[in-house]
Amino acid sequence: GQNIDQPTEMTATEGAIVQINCTYQTSGFNGLFWYQQHAGEAPTFLSYNVLDGLEEKGRFSSFLSRSKGYSYLLLKELQMKDSASYLCVRNQGGKLIFGQGTELSVKP
Amino acid sequence: EPEVTQTPSHQVTQMGQEVILRCVPISNHLYFYWYRQILGQKVEFLVSFYNNEISEKSEIFDDQFSVERPDGSNFTLKIRSTKLEDSAMYFCASSEGTLAGNEQFFGPGTRLTVL
Repeated sequence: GQNIDQPTEMTATEGAIVQINCTYQTSGFNGLFWYQQHAGEAPTFLSYNVLDGLEEKGRFSSFLSRSKGYSYLLLKELQMKDSASYLCVRNQGGKLIFGQGTELSVKP
Repeated sequence: EPEVTQTPSHQVTQMGQEVILRCVPISNHLYFYWYRQILGQKVEFLVSFYNNEISEKSEIFDDQFSVERPDGSNFTLKIRSTKLEDSAMYFCASSEGTLAGNEQFFGPGTRLTVL
C-alpha cells in the first residue's frame, strides 16, 4: 500500500512551534522524507528518517516510528517564510511516493 | 552548489503535438527521475532511469511517454501526442543512489500547458 495521510492545512503564529503529523502504510518501507514546497516551485529536501527516533536539523526536527507507520515534522521559531506546503514522502525502492502535503500558513 | 536544471520553464502546445522536456541532472548522479504535479494535486512518480535504461515506471507512463539520455549530460522526457490532461508541472530529479538516505534533488520544473 502507498497511502500517506497528513492534514490538509494548518495555521500557526510567527515564533511558535508547529508539529505536522503523517501516517503511512508500512509495507515496502525504505525510509521517510520531508520536503518543503513553495507554490509554483520544486520540492526541496528537509529531512529523512530510516530508523526510529528523532533527527534534528536546526529549526527542523523529524521523528519516525516504523512500527506505528507514523512520522512528524517539528518546526520551531516559525518565520513568515516557512509558509509553504510540507510533503511527507516515502522512499519505495528509489521512487518517491508523495503525500498530498500540509499547507502551513504562518501569521504575524 | 550543483543543481538540476530544466528547460524550458514553460511550454505551451496544441493537443496532439509532440513535446520534449529537457533536464540536466547533477553531474556525478547516477539515478534520474521524472515526476509530474497537476495543479492542486500531489507530486506523482512517472519513471526512474539508471544505467541507460528504465528502472521503474508508473501506470501514468504509458506508450505516449519516453525517456532518453542522448549524451553524457541531458535527460529528456518526450510526450508523443499530448492530451489536455497532460497539462502539469513536470519535475526532473537526480540522486547518487536509491537507499533511504539518498536525497533526490529536484529541478525547477517545466510547466506544460496543452490547449
